[in-house]
Amino acid sequence: KAGVTQTPRYLIKTRGQQVTLSCSPISGHRSVSWYQQTPGQGLQFLFEYFSETQRNKGNFPGRFSGRQFSNSRSEMNVSTLELGDSALYLCASSLGGGDPSQAEAFFGQGTRLTVV
Amino acid sequence: GENVEQHPSTLSVQEGDSAVIKCTYSDSASNYFPWYKQELGKGPQLIIDIRSNVGEKKDQRIAVTLNKTAKHFSLHITETQPEDSAVYFCAATFGRAGSYQLTFGKGTKLSVIP
Repeated sequence: KAGVTQTPRYLIKTRGQQVTLSCSPISGHRSVSWYQQTPGQGLQFLFEYFSETQRNKGNFPGRFSGRQFSNSRSEMNVSTLELGDSALYLCASSLGGGDPSQAEAFFGQGTRLTVV
Repeated sequence: GENVEQHPSTLSVQEGDSAVIKCTYSDSASNYFPWYKQELGKGPQLIIDIRSNVGEKKDQRIAVTLNKTAKHFSLHITETQPEDSAVYFCAATFGRAGSYQLTFGKGTKLSVIP
């Protein structure tokens, strides 16, 4: 089956602009989580959407937002970009059901965002 | 919330030697512990996982051990090969029934020297 697809793969934006990233999960997966990855900081959790509702949220400012559509596809938006937002943004899909193993995450290849 | 500590942050081994990466977690309710491997330019991929009712699990050259009492788990790679060079992340579940989330360690960059 097709994996998690993230678009675009690369983006260059200017400070102050906004950006929207897209993630298509594995078919049948209802949970989509977003992570920011920077050197030395590992995978920092942004938020999780499940059945079009934000179910969990990390410690990021309100400039970071997301949404999920009825087909489970998700978008992440960052407004008023700052230089420090330059990172690899990863999306992961999972079944998201009641068993802990359903949290098993399948990652996309990520979107590399560079803010100049 | 859950906290996962991972050590070491970098690890260099000679080809053929073993590599061990250790993680500790804070939430005693955590009961699912996956390990991910991230190669350059790719997203992390699951390589092995273990549930809290199991103490050890093996898959060819890779094994994971879990000590629930001490709240730590480890990844063991034997007979390392150059293609094992990557960043490895441990993770643990946190949350309540029906809404589990993974918390990741900060990663270990493994370099296997030919």
